[in-house]
Amino acid sequence: SQKIEQNSEALNIQEGKTATLTCNYTNYSPAYLQWYRQDPGRGPVFLLLIRENEKEKRKERLKVTFDTTLKQSLFHITASQPADSATYLCALDSDNYGQNFVFGPGTRLSVLP
Amino acid sequence: ETGVTQTPRHLVMGMTNKKSLKCEQHLGHNAMYWYKQSAKKPLELMFVYNFKEQTENNSVPSRFSPECPNSSHLFLHLHTLQPEDSALYLCASSQDSAYGYTFGSGTRLTVV
Repeated sequence: SQKIEQNSEALNIQEGKTATLTCNYTNYSPAYLQWYRQDPGRGPVFLLLIRENEKEKRKERLKVTFDTTLKQSLFHITASQPADSATYLCALDSDNYGQNFVFGPGTRLSVLP
Repeated sequence: ETGVTQTPRHLVMGMTNKKSLKCEQHLGHNAMYWYKQSAKKPLELMFVYNFKEQTENNSVPSRFSPECPNSSHLFLHLHTLQPEDSALYLCASSQDSAYGYTFGSGTRLTVV
């Protein structure tokens, strides 16, 4: 069956450290993989997209990798800050056309001062 | 504001009521989506509209009925819901997957 898993439900790290979140998928062949941030009571906010032919993408303190062999994406936040505390969701296109994205369960990140 | 507006923000309805959720986007996007987010569960894709045409119906019960009168507006009509339908209902729009989806703030629905 098709499945998207994110490494842990919750992750606590110390301010200034690098947070690494994992997204693994089974029985999908996505052309695109996205990462979103969601704060309580709000809708997700788009952060980054990486294509299947890209190994790595960066945006400010964020870095995403995509390994189609391992069927895994890693999401890194460097020099983490308490304001980075949120739930982070990965999403991939279930139809390989970049239209119908399905989401993982999310990882709740807490950055401790 | 994200550019995708959902109303109402909160809704409490009885199991015999009929209500509608509204979503509006002025971003010029050509695709709109309904997602359901329940506690402890991932976002579930419910409906997809491309250029006002429904292209996906993800095995959603018929008590949920979508309507897309134009590319800027999307409705979700609700009738005879069950308590387990209580959730956050999120609307999203997109133009190009490279820019991701833009979500509204959602409607928190409680069925009593």
